[in-house]
Amino acid sequence: DAKTTQPTSMDCAEGRAANLPCNHSTISGNEYVYWYRQIHSQGPQYIIHGLKNNETNEMASLIITEDRKSSTLILPHATLRDTAVYYCIVNSGGSNYKLTFGKGTLLTVNP
Amino acid sequence: KAGVTQTPRYLIKTRGQQVTLSCSPISGHRSVSWYQQTPGQGLQFLFEYFSETQRNKGNFPGRFSGRQFSNSRSEMNVSTLELGDSALYLCASSPPIADEQFFGPGTRLTVL
Repeated sequence: DAKTTQPTSMDCAEGRAANLPCNHSTISGNEYVYWYRQIHSQGPQYIIHGLKNNETNEMASLIITEDRKSSTLILPHATLRDTAVYYCIVNSGGSNYKLTFGKGTLLTVNP
Repeated sequence: KAGVTQTPRYLIKTRGQQVTLSCSPISGHRSVSWYQQTPGQGLQFLFEYFSETQRNKGNFPGRFSGRQFSNSRSEMNVSTLELGDSALYLCASSPPIADEQFFGPGTRLTVL
């Protein structure tokens, strides 16, 4: 079973920041938080991952709470092409490539 | 660099038949994972291969099998197809010492 809880759907206006929450209250000390997204009819795409510190890359920022029980993925300036299902995944990382996907959040970016 | 490629992209089979799907990972990637995606169950992990050895396995019946070749290309086979095997089958590859997986476009299998 997935170890994460995400809202089923969210809307965001184009150009605004999209903040996608994720609860992972049972996360273990050695587990990372990963985010992937899946645009309709395509394979999932890696976005970002982190352990305890906040992370930023060219796609997004990841904010992890101090107790590591929840996190937020931030798309700073959402575009229509960011409309997708976003998956928050907890995984031990390293060579453990067995990802457990939940239902994810359908983010719809509106013009 | 070319991405993960999967062939065929679409496939129609009938119940009881068997099917073989192919995945070519990104050059230099030695780990290949397979996932099944259905509307009801979502994305589920099937198995992972590394250096021709199955390293991780999900909770699927023995009808689902796979293998990896010395060039890291991988195949998965489903025998005695059932209607419930209709799904998008995704392959992902990973480079050494990395945390992210790169997914292919998938093979859409329809079982009639």
